Amino acid sequence: GENVEQHPSTLSVQEGDSAVIKCTYSDSASNYFPWYKQELGKRPQLIIDIRSNVGEKKDQRIAVTLNKTAKHFSLHITETQPEDSAVYFCAASKYGGSQGNLIFGKGTKLSVKP
Amino acid sequence: DTEVTQTPKHLVMGMTNKKSLKCEQHMGHRAMYWYKQKAKKPPELMFVYSYEKLSINESVPSRFSPECPNSSLLNLHLHALQPEDSALYLCASSLGLQGTEAFFGQGTRLTVV
Repeated sequence: GENVEQHPSTLSVQEGDSAVIKCTYSDSASNYFPWYKQELGKRPQLIIDIRSNVGEKKDQRIAVTLNKTAKHFSLHITETQPEDSAVYFCAASKYGGSQGNLIFGKGTKLSVKP
Repeated sequence: DTEVTQTPKHLVMGMTNKKSLKCEQHMGHRAMYWYKQKAKKPPELMFVYSYEKLSINESVPSRFSPECPNSSLLNLHLHALQPEDSALYLCASSLGLQGTEAFFGQGTRLTVV
């Protein structure tokens, strides 16, 4: 089955700096890679996703890159703000077929210091 | 309406009790999921329903029993739980099986005493 590794487990940055979180996956058939942000006591919320036919996707301060050959994908947050502080989870899944489950990484606790 | 609504928000139950968690969405999504999340851990998949049929059961103990009465509703029936089952139970839905955005509910914080 799929296994997703996520690093680092904690990340502390100064406001305005960039933050990078990296994930690797094991199943080459996985083709959908979302990133979720979860604030304390709240639900996971999708912040960006990428499919395997795309190498990079950007949405304002957030970008995701995917390297299918190396089976890794990364989240980049630029100009970080205190409200970016949360736990971020990467995930992988296979689109279509009879399977349909997200496998999550262990999460990265991001702290942005003002 | 982009909401997945879960009730109750909090639940305390004894080990001999029977209770149910409810999840509702009106986005026309045909895939619905139950996840279990322990503190400081990622969500772990429990069950997947696709078009109201159980698609995946991730070897979950029988004291957890899912039910999908229709395309908008998903229940999780609980019976004879153990204290280690205490966790946040998250419901999610997506347009189809994963590969499209999954929307999560706020969760039910379950405590088994």
